[in-house]
Amino acid sequence: ETGVTQTPRHLVMGMTNKKSLKCEQHLGHNAMYWYKQSAKKPLELMFVYNFKEQTENNSVPSRFSPECPNSSHLFLHLHTLQPEDSALYLCASSQYRGLETDTQYFGPGTRLTVL
Amino acid sequence: SQQGEEDPQALSIQEGENATMNCSYKTSINNLQWYRQNSGRGLVHLILIRSNEREKHSGRLRVTLDTSKKSSSLLITASRAADTASYFCATDATGAQKLVFGQGTRLTINP
Repeated sequence: ETGVTQTPRHLVMGMTNKKSLKCEQHLGHNAMYWYKQSAKKPLELMFVYNFKEQTENNSVPSRFSPECPNSSHLFLHLHTLQPEDSALYLCASSQYRGLETDTQYFGPGTRLTVL
Repeated sequence: SQQGEEDPQALSIQEGENATMNCSYKTSINNLQWYRQNSGRGLVHLILIRSNEREKHSGRLRVTLDTSKKSSSLLITASRAADTASYFCATDATGAQKLVFGQGTRLTINP
């Protein structure tokens, strides 16, 4: 256990559904991240939050909407997704170190399938 | 453009042998990190090496960093079946304030 939990672990949704992914960290960190991992592609950074403020949006389509209500919780709201959005979505957290990125602790991921 | 690229993409060795994976990158970095991922699971941090360091050890793991060649290597000694996983390098490029991951090396340890 890394101290980062994600729910649900598996999610199947239709293209017209709305769902949310949840991430919670119990490590006292103040930076949180969403990554997308598709088959045969490098891990893609989606969003970065430092002290609840979004500091990175890596040109992610608006059908993905992140929310960070506090430093321990991170959500990814999904709506009108496409089949190519099927992937493993990973959440991570770290201690904010300013100009240097510290070790990241990952959750187990949510396996998303869009039909 | 992708920052870190691992080589080889796949590696299969016998249990007890040593495994070496390499990572090359393109820009100056604050640090370079290695992670392991078992199939379909989250990534687990192995070692972080800073740009002013040349070598670090952790148990059976040895990481080297050559900033002049912009490359790093991960050596796993006396491999075990449980070491079977994908291994990723991630670079913290200077000024980027984020990690960029390579495509990974798929390591298989045969009993």
